[in-house]
Amino acid sequence: QVQLVESGGGVVQPGGSLRLSCAASGFIFSSYGMHWVRQAPGKGLEWVAFIRYDGGNKDYADSVKGRFTISRDNPRNTLYLQMNSLRAEDMAVYYCAKDLGVAAPPDSFHMWGQGTVVTVSS
Amino acid sequence: DIQMTQSPSSLSASVGDRVTITCRASQTISRYLNWYQQKPGKAPNLLIYTASNLQSGVPSRFSGSGSGTDFALTISSLQPEDFATYYCQQSYRTPLTFGGGTKVEIK
Repeated sequence: QVQLVESGGGVVQPGGSLRLSCAASGFIFSSYGMHWVRQAPGKGLEWVAFIRYDGGNKDYADSVKGRFTISRDNPRNTLYLQMNSLRAEDMAVYYCAKDLGVAAPPDSFHMWGQGTVVTVSS
Repeated sequence: DIQMTQSPSSLSASVGDRVTITCRASQTISRYLNWYQQKPGKAPNLLIYTASNLQSGVPSRFSGSGSGTDFALTISSLQPEDFATYYCQQSYRTPLTFGGGTKVEIK
């Protein structure tokens, strides 16, 4: 079955950096677009970034553009999110999510990981 | 950006009730609308995609409708496991955006 396992969360000071990873299994990782979605404590869901199945197209929310970078390693079935210049408002649970369609534009979040917690605090 | 507005933000209902949650987009999004269920401490779960398509494994008491700017998620007979928060999400264009959520509580 489809499994997504995030790691790399933790406590970081404002202005610091963190790299999140998402290990995928149970599906052909190289055929699907992937997303990062976050949820601040007690708040709703916010889409963060998308990467096309082949890594050829990336898209970001304005709130993270220029600070976060999404990437993928298809042979390793792993998705990444490099987060730089972190701010208090970036504190959230970060989920990786598999898109529904094969080789399709960003659409819906078919399957989700369990999430990894990022805390930004001095 | 396309703004998604859900109503109500919360509701109280009893087991067996018919429940409808609405979602309005700030511009037309055709049928590019998805619905998710989230329980406390858990990741969201896709219920409905492209406005009315039931995701595999989701009970048939869930249904979606609408097109253009106005959409609805209906639970035909509320079950104890359905008490959760529900989110709509548009996939018409990026940035993909979510509604603010509707919390369904036990009356």
